[in-house]
Amino acid sequence: EPEVTQTPSHQVTQMGQEVILRCVPISNHLYFYWYRQILGQKVEFLVSFYNNEISEKSEIFDDQFSVERPDGSNFTLKIRSTKLEDSAMYFCASSEAGVRETQYFGPGTRLLVL
Amino acid sequence: LAKTTQPISMDSYEGQEVNITCSHNNIATNDYITWYQQFPSQGPRFIIQGYKTKVTNEVASLFIPADRKSSTLSLPRVSLSDTAVYYCLVARHSGGGADGLTFGKGTHLIIQP
Repeated sequence: EPEVTQTPSHQVTQMGQEVILRCVPISNHLYFYWYRQILGQKVEFLVSFYNNEISEKSEIFDDQFSVERPDGSNFTLKIRSTKLEDSAMYFCASSEAGVRETQYFGPGTRLLVL
Repeated sequence: LAKTTQPISMDSYEGQEVNITCSHNNIATNDYITWYQQFPSQGPRFIIQGYKTKVTNEVASLFIPADRKSSTLSLPRVSLSDTAVYYCLVARHSGGGADGLTFGKGTHLIIQP
């Protein structure tokens, strides 16, 4: 069964550094998403991406964040100047056209900002 | 988006049938009901989706009454590995765009031997 993959599985960084989280969505999917989950809290939507542009973003997704699909397979989340409160699990998800509720999530990247 | 309410936690035993009910009083005509499962340190996993009446797949059944103001996820003959958080979501189902999902706190299901 096709899966969403994410790298790295864990990332430790110093406050103020930039990090790039990578995702490979399911190959025939056209909609891509990033979510985060702070330890013990809810899964929170960050941003969705379709047709090479941001489709929707939450209040969390401020100028510190950016997304990119640099090639035909990868989907990245960049966090500039990380803060302690950015420590969380970051999940990538993808969905087929027209079935956007059925989102398939990756295993996540655990980000720890020190 | 319709607000959903579900129990914070439930306990059951291996081999039992577990029913988790979710209320969504403000569900709109275009909204579908979707359930996800999440194990610790893993991403949510789609379980089942429905609009009305009953939907069944290899994992679960979803019962939706005629007024659609609630739904019940039914897990037959649970095992220890079904211990997870279960999320009920209500989302618009229409073509185009890419809406993010809104997760609540979910129901933490604990299965005991």
